[in-house]
Amino acid sequence: AQRVTQPEKLLSVFKGAPVELKCNYSYSGSPELFWYVQYSRQRLQLLLRHISRESIKGFTADLNKGETSFHLKKPFAQEEDSAMYYCALGLGGYNKLIFGAGTRLAVHP
Amino acid sequence: NAGVTQTPKFQVLKTGQSMTLQCAQDMNHNSMYWYRQDPGMGLRLIYYSASEGTTDKGEVPNGYNVSRLNKREFSLRLESAAPSQTSVYFCASRDDLLSYEQYFGPGTRLTVT
Repeated sequence: AQRVTQPEKLLSVFKGAPVELKCNYSYSGSPELFWYVQYSRQRLQLLLRHISRESIKGFTADLNKGETSFHLKKPFAQEEDSAMYYCALGLGGYNKLIFGAGTRLAVHP
Repeated sequence: NAGVTQTPKFQVLKTGQSMTLQCAQDMNHNSMYWYRQDPGMGLRLIYYSASEGTTDKGEVPNGYNVSRLNKREFSLRLESAAPSQTSVYFCASRDDLLSYEQYFGPGTRLTVT
């Protein structure tokens, strides 16, 4: 069965520290993976998609098919990065998103 | 543009009552979605509509019905609410011709007592 696992409920770091939010997936096909983010009092929004291979707000994510992972990384965390981050697996022509349970990132001054 | 709007923001129901959650989008998107989010879990797809006039089941459709009223609106109905349906409900839409990105509404917090 398709599944997305985010093992950490909470990740707490200090400003300027590196951040890695973990995501592992279970899917036998070729995965389409996304990171969505929800800032306080804002809507859930797309952060990045694995195929685009771009850096958004300093975040990058690399798909590792061997380890079935799609970890989100940022070299230097900022306070404004504090939010809930969700990893998602896209199926059925992007009509079905399987979400992980989410990781709350708290960046302290 | 308001994007995706949902009404109501909050609702409390008694077991067995019915209600309809409303969702509308002003982005001319073809595809629309309903999700639920329970504490400690990710969003789970209830139903989706790939185009006006079509609907399909997602992961957790039991206990729900949907209507794609027109291109803008996609409603979710609970015919006989149960405490297990206490959740936060999110609507989303996507321009399937242009993008993989889903745009989300602000959510409806539903409590069934």
